[in-house]
Amino acid sequence: EVQLLESGGGLVQPGGSLRLSCVVSGFTFSDYAMTWVRQAPGKGLEWVSAIGGSGDATYHADSVKGRFTISRDNSKNTLYLQIDTLRAEDTAVYYCAKGIGTPTAGSLDYWGQGTLLTVSS
Amino acid sequence: SSELTQDPAVSVALGQTVKITCQGDTLRNFFANWYQQKPGQAPVLVIYGRNNRPSGIPDRFSASSSGNTASLAITGAQADDEGDYYCNSRDRSNNGVIFGGGTKLTVL
Repeated sequence: EVQLLESGGGLVQPGGSLRLSCVVSGFTFSDYAMTWVRQAPGKGLEWVSAIGGSGDATYHADSVKGRFTISRDNSKNTLYLQIDTLRAEDTAVYYCAKGIGTPTAGSLDYWGQGTLLTVSS
Repeated sequence: SSELTQDPAVSVALGQTVKITCQGDTLRNFFANWYQQKPGQAPVLVIYGRNNRPSGIPDRFSASSSGNTASLAITGAQADDEGDYYCNSRDRSNNGVIFGGGTKLTVL
């Protein structure tokens, strides 16, 4: 059974940093691209970042470039999202998702339940 | 960057057919993927690529595309099909992915 479990969210002050994690099981992690998608309260889905199976290729939305860094540790079956210089508009549920095909194909067949990040003073 | 436009809300009578559309220039070059999301839950992929259904997705869901418009059709809509539907596709302008704003489907 494929499972994805995000963690690391919480209440953080503006300007702060944190790292989200997503531990996966049930498939060969290194064979698949992975993606982070976020959803602000009451809003739609927003693609954030994607990474190829080996970790060499990374992609970020223009809205987060320079502040967000996606990475992965295939030995630990874990995906990460480092978020720096947090802003109020980063408040959202962050989902990790497994990809079908290339990192930017956008086809995501398994999702975690999400972790809520709240940026507020 | 590009945009994908969806109608905010659509309704359909129980058992009837409904089409949810997604418009954007990037769809002239790339297929749309479609997701269903119910309140408090993670999105579920219902269609990907040209017209592929993941395992477990009923065959009443299908997709088509013409020009800059992609469509998700639900044939014989069921009460369980209520929810928010999102399209997404590759955004060649910034080498990323974009989502549409979502369509809330109500089954009457």
